[in-house]
Amino acid sequence: KQEVTQIPAALSVPEGENLVLNCSFTDSAIYNLQWFRQDPGKGLTSLLLIQSSQREQTSGRLNASLDKSSGRSTLYIAASQPGDSATYLCAVLSGSARQLTFGSGTQLTVLP
Amino acid sequence: DAGVIQSPRHEVTEMGQEVTLRCKPISGHNSLFWYRQTMMRGLELLIYFNNNVPIDDSGMPEDRFSAKMPNASFSTLKIQPSEPRDSAVYFCASGTSGSYEQYFGPGTRLTVT
Repeated sequence: KQEVTQIPAALSVPEGENLVLNCSFTDSAIYNLQWFRQDPGKGLTSLLLIQSSQREQTSGRLNASLDKSSGRSTLYIAASQPGDSATYLCAVLSGSARQLTFGSGTQLTVLP
Repeated sequence: DAGVIQSPRHEVTEMGQEVTLRCKPISGHNSLFWYRQTMMRGLELLIYFNNNVPIDDSGMPEDRFSAKMPNASFSTLKIQPSEPRDSAVYFCASGTSGSYEQYFGPGTRLTVT
């Protein structure tokens, strides 16, 4: 059974810092990995999707990497802003049923 | 596109009552997913449909839960009878079986008293 772990559970940084969020998964036989953002009381917004054959994806200040063999992904946020404050969720698509398994998230607070 | 639409956004009901949550997927998407999010268990997949057919319902917690997708533009998740432990945020997501990327709705916050 696929398990996804995110570290740290919470992170607080001053504005302008670069930061890294970590995600690990137990079964490396994945189809893709997605990073989502969730604001309090809101739904999930997809940030980046990395196919299993890819190593990284970039969108603006966000860069996500994937090392499938070691079961790890990182989300790099450059020059953080208070508006980046949210919970970031990592999810992997795997299994014959193409099931999306989520981590428990990292709650990020960027202080002005 | 309006994105995935869910209704109601908030539902408060008493234990034992029937609850029906509704979802309209993004037009053109052929996969639909129902998830539940709680503080204790995070986000869990309940059931997913492909081309209106239920493919995997192993995540449905009990027989009290049922889901239908009568056509490509509408799905329901029903809880009968509801219990306080069903209180959670229920998300619907849709996607295409080709890309496997999922787009989430805003969720329905259910409170069962």
